[in-house]
Amino acid sequence: EIVMTQSPATLSVSPGERATLSCRASQSVSSNLAWYQQKPGQAPRLLIYGASTRATGIPARFSGSGSGTEFTLTISSLQSEDFAVYYCQQYNNWPPALTFGGGTKVEIK
Amino acid sequence: QLQLQESGPGLVKPSETLSLTCTVSGGSISSSSYYWGWIRQPPGKGLEWIGSIYYSGSTYYNPSLKSRVTISVDTSKNQFSLKLSSVTAADTAVYYCACLDLYFDYWGQGTLVTVSS
Repeated sequence: EIVMTQSPATLSVSPGERATLSCRASQSVSSNLAWYQQKPGQAPRLLIYGASTRATGIPARFSGSGSGTEFTLTISSLQSEDFAVYYCQQYNNWPPALTFGGGTKVEIK
Repeated sequence: QLQLQESGPGLVKPSETLSLTCTVSGGSISSSSYYWGWIRQPPGKGLEWIGSIYYSGSTYYNPSLKSRVTISVDTSKNQFSLKLSSVTAADTAVYYCACLDLYFDYWGQGTLVTVSS
């Protein structure tokens, strides 16, 4: 099983600042990685797939990078609506398996 | 645009079977482009993939849940379903259904299932 580890667990950032979130895979997943945003009481929303491709309607301030085992989600200038929990998900060995990271909460500093 | 909606009991007794259905609208569950999946989230915790199904009936399950999970599809109703047997309090979670195209494009709103006597 591929284990996905996200860090930090919580990130405190001021509005307008840059946020950098990390996701590490226990073995290479190539570029088969997605990022999701989840706000309280809502379902997750797909932000990024293929490690760096923004999903439809996702603002340009969200960018993804990395390949292999190390990935980064960057939010260039945090807006109030960006404070949420972010999850990574690998799909390199789909089928049969999919795994999520444990999440990073981005909170207001 | 695809829309998904979960339905089912919000309260299940320990040792019983949790049953949920996801109704898909705005597209056909028989699309060759997608798998259909279930994901859960215990209160205050992260996301856990439960399993996924193709319209043909091929299924894939999380190994940690495989012995207790059955996912089925009803193409005539444009629905797919989840059964989780022998539930305990640890199965209390918000259960989401979602459309899977390697990653999860579309999600239902989620339904809270509480396991309690």
